[in-house]
Amino acid sequence: QQQVKQSPQSLIVQKGGISIINCAYENTAFDYFPWYQQFPGKGPALLIAIRPDVSEKKEGRFTISFNKSAKQFSLHIMDSQPGDSATYFCAASKHLNKFYFGSGTKLNVKP
Amino acid sequence: EPEVTQTPSHQVTQMGQEVILRCVPISNHLYFYWYRQILGQKVEFLVSFYNNEISEKSEIFDDQFSVERPDGSNFTLKIRSTKLEDSAMYFCASSRPGTASDRGYGYTFGSGTRLTVV
Repeated sequence: QQQVKQSPQSLIVQKGGISIINCAYENTAFDYFPWYQQFPGKGPALLIAIRPDVSEKKEGRFTISFNKSAKQFSLHIMDSQPGDSATYFCAASKHLNKFYFGSGTKLNVKP
Repeated sequence: EPEVTQTPSHQVTQMGQEVILRCVPISNHLYFYWYRQILGQKVEFLVSFYNNEISEKSEIFDDQFSVERPDGSNFTLKIRSTKLEDSAMYFCASSRPGTASDRGYGYTFGSGTRLTVV
């Protein structure tokens, strides 16, 4: 059973544009939803995270939108830059034990 | 900023050989994890470890795998008899107890060990 589904698989955005990546989860007991950024050869690095008691979290150019009733959450990257080109993973966790990761989105921001 | 350190960064081993992947978690963290990422696929949970014992393990973590915290700083993953399908990036992570925050108890991943089984 796939606990977290992520789309799209890949995304090409022009510099300055908005990148949007979506995730859907199965388990209503999940209580922590992070997004990770991964560059080639590196481990996942926490970008931003949200808990289900809020509908939106913004940190700089990165925003998580969370829809508890639909069991969906998304990452918005405003004013996308070439340096944002990486693979992005959503994840979900219950009580911050193990994380269930989405399949990843490879973002390419064109100059 | 504190880091989770993994060694080696890349290991090549013959099928059937034993390998030990090493991790040094962040010093005040008490929860330790191993994850695996097969090339081009998602990161998958293997095992969590707390208070010197496994707290949870996945279906992937079969009898070929074991974990150990041999001293106060290292956390190791041993694969007893490697198979071709064990080729993957292996990530160690650690976290701390305490007040929950949006940074998730400081849950931090290392840069990984690329294991290639030939």
